[in-house]
Amino acid sequence: GENVEQHPSTLSVQEGDSAVIKCTYSDSASNYFPWYKQELGKRPQLIIDIRSNVGEKKDQRIAVTLNKTAKHFSLHITETQPEDSAVYFCAARGDRLAFGKGNQVVVIP
Amino acid sequence: KAGVTQTPRYLIKTRGQQVTLSCSPISGHRSVSWYQQTPGQGLQFLFEYFSETQRNKGNFPGRFSGRQFSNSRSEMNVSTLELGDSALYLCASSRNSGGFEEAFFGQGTRLTVV
Repeated sequence: GENVEQHPSTLSVQEGDSAVIKCTYSDSASNYFPWYKQELGKRPQLIIDIRSNVGEKKDQRIAVTLNKTAKHFSLHITETQPEDSAVYFCAARGDRLAFGKGNQVVVIP
Repeated sequence: KAGVTQTPRYLIKTRGQQVTLSCSPISGHRSVSWYQQTPGQGLQFLFEYFSETQRNKGNFPGRFSGRQFSNSRSEMNVSTLELGDSALYLCASSRNSGGFEEAFFGQGTRLTVV
């Protein structure tokens, strides 16, 4: 089945700076790559997703890029704010929706 | 419309016991997936059900099982509980299986094995 690796495990950034989270996946048949944000004590919620036929997608301060050849995809958050502090999970859907281990993002005011 | 509902929210069990967790998907959603969340291990896939059939199963022992009913509600069962089964169990529903469907998560059941 699909295996998703996510780095780094913890990321601290100054408010206003950018944060980048990188993921790799193993199944070349995977065609859908969502990103979820989980705040403390809450359920994971979708923040952005990208399909395999698209290389980049933006939604306000959030963008995701996909390199199918290298099996890499990344989440970019610009102008970070304290409310961006959370755990972020990348995922890839091949025969199942498989998640990475998550990144703790801490935005320092 | 109502979101994904999981019951119970919290559960404390003793080693060796068994437990059943319930997940009611969003109305109209036919796919339900289950995940185990533990610190440092992220969301580990347990299994997925679609139209009452198990479509995929993760790398968990046979003590973990599940089923789905005709109304798409799903249950998972863990038998002979071990301390290491303590975790947050999340279910996620989507309209269909596979493709580009967004998965919506429930709030989870926090299982503590003592």
